[in-house]
Amino acid sequence: GQQLNQSPQSMFIQEGEDVSMNCTSSSIFNTWLWYKQDPGEGPVLLIALYKAGELTSNGRLTAQFGITRKDSFLNISASIPSDVGIYFCAGSKTSYDKVIFGPGTSLSVIP
Amino acid sequence: DGGITQSPKYLFRKEGQNVTLSCEQNLNHDAMYWYRQDPGQGLRLIYYSQIVNDFQKGDIAEGYSVSREKKESFPLTVTSAQKNPTAFYLCASSIDLVSGLNQPQHFGDGTRLSIL
Repeated sequence: GQQLNQSPQSMFIQEGEDVSMNCTSSSIFNTWLWYKQDPGEGPVLLIALYKAGELTSNGRLTAQFGITRKDSFLNISASIPSDVGIYFCAGSKTSYDKVIFGPGTSLSVIP
Repeated sequence: DGGITQSPKYLFRKEGQNVTLSCEQNLNHDAMYWYRQDPGQGLRLIYYSQIVNDFQKGDIAEGYSVSREKKESFPLTVTSAQKNPTAFYLCASSIDLVSGLNQPQHFGDGTRLSIL
């Protein structure tokens, strides 16, 4: 079945550093979503992307819909301790297909 | 505040026992979903419902059942047929039918189910 791959699987960074992570698919998607999950809580939708090449920001977070339609990227600038958590990408092939989630990237921020 | 409430936070099941996880939303959303989360894996869709009295199987529906008698409620029953039920279960909702499957917008805080 369809799978999404996220890299890196985990990362440890110093507070203040910028972070980059990506998500790739073997299929073309028309929607990419990025969520963050804090420990013991449900995921929160951060950014939604609907058009190839689209670049969308949400505060210090910026996500891009790859032009191949098979990947997406999330960047976090000037990381802070509350950025700690698991970041999931998700995508769907059409507006009516179910969303598929990646395995997540675990982010740890060292003060 | 509007949101999704899942209960209980922790649940223990004995062998051969059915258990029901509660999910209530006051967001007036049409679509609701149940996901299962295992360590190191993405969320997998168990069941979803786009309107009251209608629901569809997701990718891993075997051993689970749901009902949607009210718009605000979508309980999940983990039956004894589910041989590996230990997981974190997440309920979600989205605002309307068009964006339903495309974009689960709000998640509850989950129920962690363990086997005794």
